[in-house]
Amino acid sequence: DAKTTQPNSMESNEEEPVHLPCNHSTISGTDYIHWYRQLPSQGPEYVIHGLTSNVNNRMASLAIAEDRKSSTLILHRATLRDAAVYYCILRDVQIQGAQKLVFGQGTRLTINP
Amino acid sequence: KAGVTQTPRYLIKTRGQQVTLSCSPISGHRSVSWYQQTPGQGLQFLFEYFSETQRNKGNFPGRFSGRQFSNSRSEMNVSTLELGDSALYLCASSLLVGRDTEAFFGQGTRLTVV
Repeated sequence: DAKTTQPNSMESNEEEPVHLPCNHSTISGTDYIHWYRQLPSQGPEYVIHGLTSNVNNRMASLAIAEDRKSSTLILHRATLRDAAVYYCILRDVQIQGAQKLVFGQGTRLTINP
Repeated sequence: KAGVTQTPRYLIKTRGQQVTLSCSPISGHRSVSWYQQTPGQGLQFLFEYFSETQRNKGNFPGRFSGRQFSNSRSEMNVSTLELGDSALYLCASSLLVGRDTEAFFGQGTRLTVV
C-alpha cells in the first residue's frame, strides 16, 4: 500500500487559514489523494479528493504538487468545529472498483479560540 | 437522506463470546466496508462487500467475518472474543465504484471485551 506521511499535530487560531501537509512520495500515477477528518466521538468524514489539479469545495481546498509527491489541505478560515484528526489517504484499488482506505496516524488539529 | 446506521452503538461482551454488529448503508449504496479503530493501531481496514461478495480483506484473523445481504445491509461477526478486540468498529458505504469514490462512515459500534 502506498504510504502517506503527516505531522502528528498542528495548532492554529480561530478564523486563520490552516495548511495541513501530506507527503506521498511513492504515489502511483493513478492514485487519487483523499482527505478525511474525524471529529471527536464520530466516524471519519470525507473532506476532499483530487488527482492532479488543485480542487476546491465548500469545506476546503486541496493543493497538489506538480510531481504529486505531496499535497496540502487548506482550511481557509478555521473554526473551533474544525478541530479534528485529518487523514491524508491514497486510494488503493486492488480490484476494479474495490473500496479500501489505508489510514495513517493523521494530523491532530487543535484550534485555539 | 439517512446516513450510515450502525447498531448497536455500545456493546460489552465477555472474553470467549461472539458478537454480531450491523450496518445499514445509505440507500442505493452497494459497497460496504468495515474498519477497526484502536488507540494503538489506529484505523485498520477489515473487509469490503459489494453486491453480497467480499471483494477485499484486511490482515485480520479468521475470527473476524462478515456478510452482506441482498438489500446491501451488512453484518460483521467476531467469534471467540479476546480483550484486544475492544475497539470502535466503523462501517462505511459508497455509491460508485472506482478510485475517486467518497466513503460515508457511520458513528461506529464501541465494543468492550471484559
